[in-house]
Amino acid sequence: DVKVTQSSRYLVKRTGEKVFLECVQDMDHENMFWYRQDPGLGLRLIYFSYDVKMKEKGDIPEGYSVSREKKERFSLILESASTNQTSMYLCASSLWGGRNSGGYTFGSGTRLTVV
Amino acid sequence: RKEVEQDPGPFNVPEGATVAFNCTYSNSASQSFFWYRQDCRKEPKLLMSVYSSGNEDGRFTAQLNRASQYISLLIRDSKLSDSATYLCVVPLIGGATNKLIFGTGTLLAVQP
Repeated sequence: DVKVTQSSRYLVKRTGEKVFLECVQDMDHENMFWYRQDPGLGLRLIYFSYDVKMKEKGDIPEGYSVSREKKERFSLILESASTNQTSMYLCASSLWGGRNSGGYTFGSGTRLTVV
Repeated sequence: RKEVEQDPGPFNVPEGATVAFNCTYSNSASQSFFWYRQDCRKEPKLLMSVYSSGNEDGRFTAQLNRASQYISLLIRDSKLSDSATYLCVVPLIGGATNKLIFGTGTLLAVQP
């Protein structure tokens, strides 16, 4: 069964801490994505990557950075965590673009609380 | 106009009922569409893809109306297990990869 695995299900961090969220996929997908999901706002794209070492900003990149050193791994970094970054973070992967890419496969999410 | 708009619901229906959700999109160039299902505190999962006028899978039917720029999801003979949030998803055209734009979801609660 294909999988996207996120390293932590629940995480509590203090304001100002540097936070790393890890995501690994075993499907040899080119594309990987980081979203955050908040009530009433839906899924908002933070960053995405379509190849190793490639990254592009999504709709809300401020306060975040990413790293993709290997095809299977895409890391989200909160440089200095703040309380407004408390959210559910979802990683996803997909094949390269086109109508037959079949949508995304999501990880089970990391619920981050910043106190 | 938002890129993807859905009625947030909730839709409260009895078991066995037929229920339909609509979703409107703003980019007339979009070619393919998706419906995702998200259970409470879980990740979204692909339910159906829609590439032409429609798609049917058992009790679920997705239809596309390009002229009016909306897609719909019809669920027949609703089950308790259908209770979830249904996300309408539209690809963002252009660029090197298939970025998807997610609607905020429609909540369905099937009552016994």
